Amino acid sequence: EDQVTQSPEALRLQEGESSSLNCSYTVSGLRGLFWYRQDPGKGPEFLFTLYSAGEEKEKERLKATLTKKESFLHITAPKPEDSATYLCAVPLARGSNYKLTFGKGTLLTVNP
Amino acid sequence: NAGVTQTPKFQVLKTGQSMTLQCAQDMNHEYMSWYRQDPGMGLRLIHYSVGAGITDQGEVPNGYNVSRSTTEDFPLRLLSAAPSQTSVYFCASRNRISTATNEKLFFGSGTQLSVL
Repeated sequence: EDQVTQSPEALRLQEGESSSLNCSYTVSGLRGLFWYRQDPGKGPEFLFTLYSAGEEKEKERLKATLTKKESFLHITAPKPEDSATYLCAVPLARGSNYKLTFGKGTLLTVNP
Repeated sequence: NAGVTQTPKFQVLKTGQSMTLQCAQDMNHEYMSWYRQDPGMGLRLIHYSVGAGITDQGEVPNGYNVSRSTTEDFPLRLLSAAPSQTSVYFCASRNRISTATNEKLFFGSGTQLSVL
């Protein structure tokens, strides 16, 4: 069965303290790995899509990378406004890449 | 540009009551979907549609009905609400065929539903 597992469940950082979030997946024929950010009381907001091992994408202090079994979301010198839940998702088996299965997320808290 | 609009934002129901969660998008997206989000469970796909008149089941469809009569609207119906349906519901949309510029799912702001 296809699965997406995120770790850690929660992460507390001091402002400026860099770290990484992990998303491991077991799915045959990966058709994209998606990262979303979710603020409290809001819907998820798209960050990145990665399609092939070795691919990297960056946005401000965030960089997403992909291997054959997992993806990392690296956060460099985070600020309090980076506090959010970060979700990764992959397409459900036997479907197109619009039907996504999500991990449970990592709740990131950045303290000033 | 309104994007994906969900109503209501909050709703309290009694067990056995029925209601419809509304979702509308103004981006001419073919694909629309409903997810529920529960603590410790993540987002789970309930139903989805790839165009007007076409709907299909996701991971957790039991207890929910959908229809898609227009491109813009995709309502989710609870025919007889149960406490297990207490959750936050999100509607999402995107173009059905992805390219590098339209691969993202756009989410609404959610409906928080409590069933007593």
